[in-house]
Amino acid sequence: DAKTTQPNSMESNEEEPVHLPCNHSTISGTDYIHWYRQLPSQGPEYVIHGLTSNVNNRMASLAIAEDRKSSTLILHRATLRDAAVYYCILRDLRDGYNQGGKLIFGQGTELSVKP
Amino acid sequence: NAGVTQTPKFRVLKTGQSMTLLCAQDMNHEYMYWYRQDPGMGLRLIHYSVGEGTTAKGEVPDGYNVSRLKKQNFLLGLESAAPSQTSVYFCASSYGQYNQPQHFGDGTRLSIL
Repeated sequence: DAKTTQPNSMESNEEEPVHLPCNHSTISGTDYIHWYRQLPSQGPEYVIHGLTSNVNNRMASLAIAEDRKSSTLILHRATLRDAAVYYCILRDLRDGYNQGGKLIFGQGTELSVKP
Repeated sequence: NAGVTQTPKFRVLKTGQSMTLLCAQDMNHEYMYWYRQDPGMGLRLIHYSVGEGTTAKGEVPDGYNVSRLKKQNFLLGLESAAPSQTSVYFCASSYGQYNQPQHFGDGTRLSIL
């Protein structure tokens, strides 16, 4: 399984944009990039995923480098509720049925948001 | 709007006791998963199921058993609890396709003395 590298922690001010980086230099052509976040005392929550093109949804944007060796999760206006651990995860297209589509969690980035 | 429900939310066991954690989902998902999360660490997959009546081992299956007799339920059993199994346990479910998001419950906090 390809690995991801994220900073252990980041700080942001409320209502400012936040850029959370993720390096995945050994990514394969069949790996999708997924982001989840985990708020305190809760289970992880899906945020966004993509393959090659940048993606937007109501929660965030995902910017993927042209060589796909890195990506950035963008929160456009951080709120106090966005304080969480953010996980960048690679999911192999080939895992499918045989691997159950399992998620492999690393340490993630702990984001704190200051009022 | 239940989603994934885990029972119980908290439990304290003595070493050697047995117990079953229940996970129920109301989204008609095919795939279900059990993870554990130790302090300061990411989640690790214990067992998973790709459909009713089928189960498979994940990354850390030792000391646990699972059953998926009904599509909506996924049970995790500890036959003889050990202190090393003190952890927070999360259940998740998803549709069959690999790229579908997993939906998680709020966890069961289990302490084994």
